[in-house]
Amino acid sequence: QSVLTQPPSASGTPGQRVTISCSGSSSNIGSNAVNWYQQFPGTAPKLLIYNNNQRPSGVPDRFSGSKSGTSASLAISGLQSEDEADYYCAAWDDSLNALYVFGTGTKVTV
Amino acid sequence: EVQLVESGGGLVQPGRSLRLSCAASGFTFDDYAMYWVRQAPGKGLEWVSGITWNSGSKDYADSVKGRFTVSRDNAKNSLYLQMNSLRTEDTALYYCAKASRVGDSRSPLFFDYWGQGTLVTVSS
Repeated sequence: QSVLTQPPSASGTPGQRVTISCSGSSSNIGSNAVNWYQQFPGTAPKLLIYNNNQRPSGVPDRFSGSKSGTSASLAISGLQSEDEADYYCAAWDDSLNALYVFGTGTKVTV
Repeated sequence: EVQLVESGGGLVQPGRSLRLSCAASGFTFDDYAMYWVRQAPGKGLEWVSGITWNSGSKDYADSVKGRFTVSRDNAKNSLYLQMNSLRTEDTALYYCAKASRVGDSRSPLFFDYWGQGTLVTVSS
């Protein structure tokens, strides 16, 4: 049961900037770091952003993350066709026995 | 190269049991906490369970608490999920994931590597 809310879809043309929002509460995003995962159809999720705004090695710098209060955002600048995927935000939740909660997921269409 | 390979999934009747395994390689297994995450067909991701490096702490989602048991064998570089009293709503692709952090033990965990998953179908 997702407690982080994301828009179900987002779209853009190649080269555009797309932003995905992730809304939570004081017990999760408000007090813990946010991570983002990218998932292509039929494949496992891949870590895209950790600790709100850090990119693992190999992730292009057109992906960026930010957090403010109880919300977070993932921005994809210079959108490319290979960015078409599902994106999930996630965070630890202090009120639910240290559960790790995922967002509802956003399908990005290019 | 980090590899996580899940196995043990299959078709099982409601009320029955299944044991999933995750074989890890390419990293020092007993240095890291490990987790299970599932994804029902066409749905989003759901955290299921986690276990610390030394099995000292185990956590479960409310949806599986009392029915699922996570364990690990560091000598075999393996993670397990014993699933009892299975329900139709447990039908999902089950992923194992390696947890990591940057900094000291107070730094937040994130899942930096995932297996390809093993499918569990609960149906009569």
